[in-house]
Amino acid sequence: AQKITQTQPGMFVQEKEAVTLDCTYDTSDQSYGLFWYKQPSSGEMIFLIYQGSYDEQNATEGRYSLNFQKARKSANLVISASQLGDSAMYFCAMREGNQAGTALIFGKGTTLSVSS
Amino acid sequence: DAMVIQNPRYQVTQFGKPVTLSCSQTLNHNVMYWYQQKSSQAPKLLFHYYDKDFNNEADTPDNFQSRRPNTSFCFLDIRSPGLGDAAMYLCATSRLWVGRSTDTQYFGPGTRLTVL
Repeated sequence: AQKITQTQPGMFVQEKEAVTLDCTYDTSDQSYGLFWYKQPSSGEMIFLIYQGSYDEQNATEGRYSLNFQKARKSANLVISASQLGDSAMYFCAMREGNQAGTALIFGKGTTLSVSS
Repeated sequence: DAMVIQNPRYQVTQFGKPVTLSCSQTLNHNVMYWYQQKSSQAPKLLFHYYDKDFNNEADTPDNFQSRRPNTSFCFLDIRSPGLGDAAMYLCATSRLWVGRSTDTQYFGPGTRLTVL
């Protein structure tokens, strides 16, 4: 079974609109971290936002917020007021446990296209 | 600005000709990672260093080696590149704090390897 599932291969949104990118995860660990990264066509993986499994409040970073529903094992990314520069591939990732060097497990990604 | 730097950004090599990719960081992070990302796929961890301790992922081919001469630098050596090794190679760093669960990985811009 996949550990990280992103069901939307592609999403389209107009400038200034909000968009939600879906992510569900599967783990039996009590301690884990959830991450969202943005990868433009240039290839760099840009860290956007982090949610710890014990965090009670949803994480927010500027226009990005993470809708964390622990019981449903979902960690959706919400981008408010989309901009043309938001067009990129978005990856949801999970780190299980707290040990140094634990691999990030990535989903297959969602391509977001923002139009004017 | 503190950052993760990868050189070169683009590397072309011939089938079977050894190649070295480099990564440096000014973040003073104690963990460094190498990921391989093939076209339209999610990144896959090859190995990581926690300080000087080298940790290989179980399915990383022997063709891939790594060196970390000091905290700031880490190298990826591909001893005999094959056509299947053409990919984006991403270096990442993180700092593990004892007692903290956050272990955000920050990525460099990547090196895109072409094998002729």
